[in-house]
Amino acid sequence: AQSVTQLDSHVSVSEGTPVLLRCNYSSSYSPSLFWYVQHPNKGLQLLLKYTSAATLVKGINGFEAEFKKSETSFHLTKPSAHMSDAAEYFCVVRMDSNYQLIWGAGTKLIIKP
Amino acid sequence: SAVISQKPSRDICQRGTSLTIQCQVDSQVTMMFWYRQQPGQSLTLIATANQGSEATYESGFVIDKFPISRPNLTFSTLTVSNMSPEDSSIYLCSVGQGGVLDEQYFGPGTRLTVT
Repeated sequence: AQSVTQLDSHVSVSEGTPVLLRCNYSSSYSPSLFWYVQHPNKGLQLLLKYTSAATLVKGINGFEAEFKKSETSFHLTKPSAHMSDAAEYFCVVRMDSNYQLIWGAGTKLIIKP
Repeated sequence: SAVISQKPSRDICQRGTSLTIQCQVDSQVTMMFWYRQQPGQSLTLIATANQGSEATYESGFVIDKFPISRPNLTFSTLTVSNMSPEDSSIYLCSVGQGGVLDEQYFGPGTRLTVT
C-alpha cells in the first residue's frame, strides 16, 4: 500500500537561506509524486510533480524536488527562502491503480526575517 | 489549469442543521473530488463524484451524512447533514484534468464552523 511521510511538522529558516522539506514515500510501483503549497486562508496550489520523466523536477517560485528511487524520497528544496514562502507544504503520492491521492501530514515552513 | 469556485467561502452553522456546498468549474471535467481538512491536519478524501453516476465514498464516509450531487460536467454539491461540532473543517473540491488524471486542482475551500 502506498503511503507518504513528511519527516518534519515544522521547519524554520532565515530569509535568504536554503529550504529543505523532506518527504519519503512507500509505493509498490513507480509512483506519481506531487508537492502542494497552502498559504494561510488560501487554496492549495500545485508546486511541482514527478511522473517518471526527469528525476529533478523544477516547479514554481524557485522550488525543485529530486526523485530518488533508492532512497524512496522526494525532498523539496529552494536555494534561498523568501518571506512569501511561509506556508504549509504537502507531499502527495498518487495511487498506482487509480486516481486517489495520498497526502502527507504537511510541513509548516516558517521564515525568520 | 481549471478555475474552481466554491460557495459559501465560510459559514457558521448550528448543530443538527445541514449545509450544502457548491463547486463550480470553468471547464468540463470528468472527475470531481471532495476533501475534508480538519483543523491543523492534512486532507482526507470524502468521495469521488462522476457525472451521471453515484458518488464513490471512502472508508468512514457515508452517503446519508455527506450526500453528493453531480448534475453535469462543471458542477457538484456536497451536503454536510445533521452537523455536529466534529464536522467543523475546511471542505475542498478538486478536479482531475488530463487523460491520466495526474494533477488535481483545488477550489479555495469552504470553512465550516459548527456550534
